[in-house]
Amino acid sequence: QLQLQESGPGLVKPSETLSLTCTVSGGSISSSSYYWGWIRQPPGKGLEWIGSIYYSGSTYYNPSLKSRVTISVDTSKNQFSLKLSSVTAADTAVYYCARRPVVPAAFDYWGQGTLVTVSS
Amino acid sequence: EIVLTQSPGTLSLSPGERATLSCRASQSVSSSYLAWYQQKPGQAPRLLIYGASSRATGIPDRFSGSGSGTDFTLTISRLEPEDFAVYYCQQYGSSPGVFTFGPGTKVDIK
Repeated sequence: QLQLQESGPGLVKPSETLSLTCTVSGGSISSSSYYWGWIRQPPGKGLEWIGSIYYSGSTYYNPSLKSRVTISVDTSKNQFSLKLSSVTAADTAVYYCARRPVVPAAFDYWGQGTLVTVSS
Repeated sequence: EIVLTQSPGTLSLSPGERATLSCRASQSVSSSYLAWYQQKPGQAPRLLIYGASSRATGIPDRFSGSGSGTDFTLTISRLEPEDFAVYYCQQYGSSPGVFTFGPGTKVDIK
Protein backbone atom coordinates (compact mmCIF):
# COMPACT_ATOMS: atom_id res chain seq x y z
CA GLN A 1 0.00 0.00 0.00
CA LEU A 2 1.42 3.35 -1.03
CA GLN A 3 2.02 5.79 1.80
CA LEU A 4 3.22 9.38 1.78
CA GLN A 5 4.49 11.10 4.91
CA GLU A 6 5.29 14.79 5.27
CA SER A 7 8.00 15.90 7.68
CA GLY A 8 9.58 19.17 8.68
CA PRO A 9 9.40 22.04 11.18
CA GLY A 10 5.95 22.98 12.41
CA LEU A 11 6.99 26.56 13.14
CA VAL A 12 8.83 28.91 10.80
CA LYS A 13 9.71 32.56 11.41
CA PRO A 14 8.53 35.27 9.02
CA SER A 15 10.95 35.97 6.14
CA GLU A 16 12.61 32.56 6.57
CA THR A 17 12.36 29.51 4.34
CA LEU A 18 9.83 26.74 4.91
CA SER A 19 11.27 23.30 4.16
CA LEU A 20 9.28 20.07 4.03
CA THR A 21 10.05 16.55 2.85
CA CYS A 22 7.67 13.87 1.65
CA THR A 23 8.80 10.27 2.09
CA VAL A 24 7.15 7.74 -0.20
CA SER A 25 6.84 4.12 0.90
CA GLY A 26 5.22 1.15 -0.77
CA GLY A 27 6.13 2.40 -4.23
CA SER A 28 8.94 3.94 -6.22
CA ILE A 29 9.20 7.66 -6.75
CA SER A 30 11.20 6.85 -9.90
CA SER A 31 8.22 5.37 -11.70
CA SER A 32 7.59 7.00 -15.06
CA SER A 33 3.85 6.74 -14.42
CA TYR A 34 3.60 9.43 -11.76
CA TYR A 35 4.23 13.01 -10.80
CA TRP A 36 4.52 14.09 -7.18
CA GLY A 37 2.95 17.23 -5.82
CA TRP A 38 2.48 19.63 -2.94
CA ILE A 39 -0.89 21.15 -2.02
CA ARG A 40 -1.65 23.40 0.94
CA GLN A 41 -4.72 24.43 2.90
CA PRO A 42 -4.82 27.47 5.20
CA PRO A 43 -6.86 26.87 8.36
CA GLY A 44 -10.56 26.89 7.54
CA LYS A 45 -9.95 27.57 3.85
CA GLY A 46 -9.73 25.71 0.54
CA LEU A 47 -7.01 23.82 -1.28
CA GLU A 48 -4.17 25.49 -3.20
CA TRP A 49 -1.88 23.56 -5.52
CA ILE A 50 1.75 24.58 -4.98
CA GLY A 51 3.61 22.55 -7.56
CA SER A 52 4.54 19.16 -8.97
CA ILE A 53 7.70 17.27 -9.93
CA TYR A 54 8.53 14.30 -12.12
CA TYR A 55 11.23 11.79 -11.12
CA SER A 56 13.46 13.25 -13.83
CA GLY A 57 13.36 16.59 -12.05
CA SER A 58 10.92 18.42 -14.32
CA THR A 59 8.88 20.86 -12.26
CA TYR A 60 5.64 22.81 -12.55
CA TYR A 61 4.72 25.59 -10.15
CA ASN A 62 1.66 27.64 -9.25
CA PRO A 63 2.26 30.96 -11.05
CA SER A 64 1.26 32.88 -7.90
CA LEU A 65 4.00 31.15 -5.85
CA LYS A 66 6.58 30.44 -8.54
CA SER A 67 9.08 33.10 -7.44
CA ARG A 68 9.31 31.59 -3.94
CA VAL A 69 8.94 27.84 -4.53
CA THR A 70 11.48 25.12 -5.23
CA ILE A 71 10.50 21.44 -5.44
CA SER A 72 13.20 18.79 -5.73
CA VAL A 73 13.38 15.00 -5.80
CA ASP A 74 15.84 12.54 -4.26
CA THR A 75 15.25 9.19 -5.93
CA SER A 76 17.90 7.48 -3.78
CA LYS A 77 15.85 8.22 -0.67
CA ASN A 78 12.42 7.92 -2.35
CA GLN A 79 11.67 11.47 -1.22
CA PHE A 80 10.70 14.80 -2.68
CA SER A 81 10.94 18.16 -1.00
CA LEU A 82 9.40 21.63 -0.89
CA LYS A 83 11.12 24.91 -0.13
CA LEU A 84 9.09 28.10 0.17
CA SER A 85 11.11 31.24 0.77
CA SER A 86 10.30 34.58 2.38
CA VAL A 87 7.30 33.22 4.24
CA THR A 88 4.65 35.36 5.89
CA ALA A 89 1.67 34.57 8.11
CA ALA A 90 -0.33 33.98 4.90
CA ASP A 91 1.75 30.85 4.31
CA THR A 92 0.42 29.25 7.50
CA ALA A 93 -1.35 26.12 6.33
CA VAL A 94 -1.59 22.37 6.37
CA TYR A 95 0.81 21.17 3.69
CA TYR A 96 0.00 17.92 1.87
CA CYS A 97 2.15 15.86 -0.43
CA ALA A 98 0.36 13.73 -3.02
CA ARG A 99 0.83 11.45 -5.99
CA ARG A 100 -0.47 12.35 -9.40
CA PRO A 101 -0.59 9.73 -12.15
CA VAL A 102 0.50 10.92 -15.58
CA VAL A 103 -3.01 9.89 -16.56
CA PRO A 104 -5.42 10.93 -15.16
CA ALA A 105 -4.46 14.41 -14.05
CA ALA A 106 -5.69 14.10 -10.47
CA PHE A 107 -4.13 13.39 -7.08
CA ASP A 108 -4.95 9.84 -6.04
CA TYR A 109 -2.83 9.30 -2.94
CA TRP A 110 -2.26 11.92 -0.25
CA GLY A 111 -0.18 12.23 2.86
CA GLN A 112 -1.91 13.02 6.14
CA GLY A 113 -0.72 16.63 5.99
CA THR A 114 1.44 18.68 8.31
CA LEU A 115 0.58 22.05 9.85
CA VAL A 116 3.18 24.74 9.36
CA THR A 117 2.71 27.95 11.31
CA VAL A 118 4.57 31.11 10.37
CA SER A 119 5.11 33.18 13.48
CA SER A 120 7.88 34.92 15.35
CA GLU B 1 -5.81 31.33 -15.69
CA ILE B 2 -9.00 29.32 -15.32
CA VAL B 3 -11.08 30.13 -12.24
CA LEU B 4 -13.42 27.51 -10.81
CA THR B 5 -16.63 28.52 -9.03
CA GLN B 6 -18.58 26.04 -6.93
CA SER B 7 -22.21 26.34 -5.89
CA PRO B 8 -23.86 26.34 -3.56
CA GLY B 9 -21.37 27.21 -0.88
CA THR B 10 -23.30 25.08 1.60
CA LEU B 11 -25.90 22.41 0.92
CA SER B 12 -28.07 21.32 3.83
CA LEU B 13 -29.70 17.95 3.24
CA SER B 14 -30.92 14.91 5.11
CA PRO B 15 -29.56 11.35 4.81
CA GLY B 16 -31.16 9.57 1.89
CA GLU B 17 -31.62 12.77 -0.13
CA ARG B 18 -29.96 13.52 -3.45
CA ALA B 19 -27.13 16.06 -3.57
CA THR B 20 -26.27 18.02 -6.69
CA LEU B 21 -23.07 20.07 -6.60
CA SER B 22 -22.00 22.45 -9.36
CA CYS B 23 -18.56 23.45 -10.60
CA ARG B 24 -18.28 26.15 -13.25
CA ALA B 25 -15.10 27.16 -15.04
CA SER B 26 -14.30 30.63 -16.35
CA GLN B 27 -13.12 29.02 -19.62
CA SER B 28 -13.75 25.68 -21.26
CA VAL B 29 -12.05 22.75 -19.51
CA SER B 30 -11.27 19.43 -21.11
CA SER B 31 -13.48 16.79 -19.51
CA SER B 32 -10.38 14.65 -19.20
CA TYR B 33 -8.96 17.14 -16.74
CA LEU B 34 -11.81 17.71 -14.29
CA ALA B 35 -11.75 15.93 -10.93
CA TRP B 36 -13.73 15.94 -7.67
CA TYR B 37 -12.48 15.36 -4.11
CA GLN B 38 -14.15 14.78 -0.76
CA GLN B 39 -12.62 16.11 2.44
CA LYS B 40 -13.72 15.38 5.98
CA PRO B 41 -12.54 17.41 9.00
CA GLY B 42 -8.96 16.65 9.96
CA GLN B 43 -8.42 14.40 6.95
CA ALA B 44 -6.65 14.70 3.63
CA PRO B 45 -8.81 15.03 0.53
CA ARG B 46 -9.91 11.82 -1.18
CA LEU B 47 -10.19 11.52 -4.94
CA LEU B 48 -13.77 10.66 -5.96
CA ILE B 49 -14.06 11.38 -9.68
CA TYR B 50 -11.53 11.97 -12.46
CA GLY B 51 -12.03 12.70 -16.13
CA ALA B 52 -15.32 14.39 -15.14
CA SER B 53 -17.21 11.09 -14.83
CA SER B 54 -14.91 8.19 -13.90
CA ARG B 55 -15.06 6.96 -10.32
CA ALA B 56 -11.75 6.46 -8.54
CA THR B 57 -10.88 3.10 -7.04
CA GLY B 58 -13.20 2.09 -4.22
CA ILE B 59 -15.67 4.93 -4.65
CA PRO B 60 -19.32 3.84 -4.25
CA ASP B 61 -21.58 4.10 -7.27
CA ARG B 62 -23.86 6.58 -5.49
CA PHE B 63 -21.23 9.15 -6.53
CA SER B 64 -21.39 10.24 -10.16
CA GLY B 65 -19.90 13.04 -12.20
CA SER B 66 -21.05 14.66 -15.40
CA GLY B 67 -20.63 17.73 -17.53
CA SER B 68 -18.47 19.29 -20.19
CA GLY B 69 -17.08 22.61 -21.32
CA THR B 70 -17.58 25.03 -18.44
CA ASP B 71 -20.28 23.25 -16.41
CA PHE B 72 -19.67 20.14 -14.33
CA THR B 73 -21.79 18.37 -11.72
CA LEU B 74 -21.13 15.94 -8.89
CA THR B 75 -24.21 13.99 -7.84
CA ILE B 76 -24.62 11.88 -4.73
CA SER B 77 -27.71 9.84 -5.38
CA ARG B 78 -28.62 9.02 -1.77
CA LEU B 79 -26.67 10.66 1.00
CA GLU B 80 -25.15 8.35 3.58
CA PRO B 81 -24.10 9.71 7.00
CA GLU B 82 -20.43 9.45 5.97
CA ASP B 83 -21.01 11.67 2.91
CA PHE B 84 -21.40 14.88 4.89
CA ALA B 85 -18.16 16.66 4.05
CA VAL B 86 -16.63 19.36 1.85
CA TYR B 87 -16.33 18.67 -1.87
CA TYR B 88 -13.80 20.32 -4.18
CA CYS B 89 -13.55 20.33 -7.95
CA GLN B 90 -10.14 20.60 -9.63
CA GLN B 91 -9.04 21.29 -13.18
CA TYR B 92 -5.74 20.74 -14.90
CA GLY B 93 -4.10 22.29 -17.88
CA SER B 94 -4.98 25.98 -18.13
CA SER B 95 -1.23 26.24 -18.46
CA PRO B 96 1.02 23.18 -18.86
CA GLY B 97 1.27 21.27 -15.60
CA VAL B 98 -0.89 23.74 -13.66
CA PHE B 99 -3.78 22.72 -11.37
CA THR B 100 -6.59 24.83 -9.93
CA PHE B 101 -9.05 23.93 -7.19
CA GLY B 102 -12.52 25.35 -6.67
CA PRO B 103 -13.46 26.93 -3.33
CA GLY B 104 -15.51 23.94 -2.21
CA THR B 105 -19.10 23.05 -1.33
CA LYS B 106 -19.94 21.94 2.18
CA VAL B 107 -22.65 19.30 2.44
CA ASP B 108 -24.03 19.33 5.95
CA ILE B 109 -26.83 17.63 7.79
CA LYS B 110 -30.17 19.43 7.73
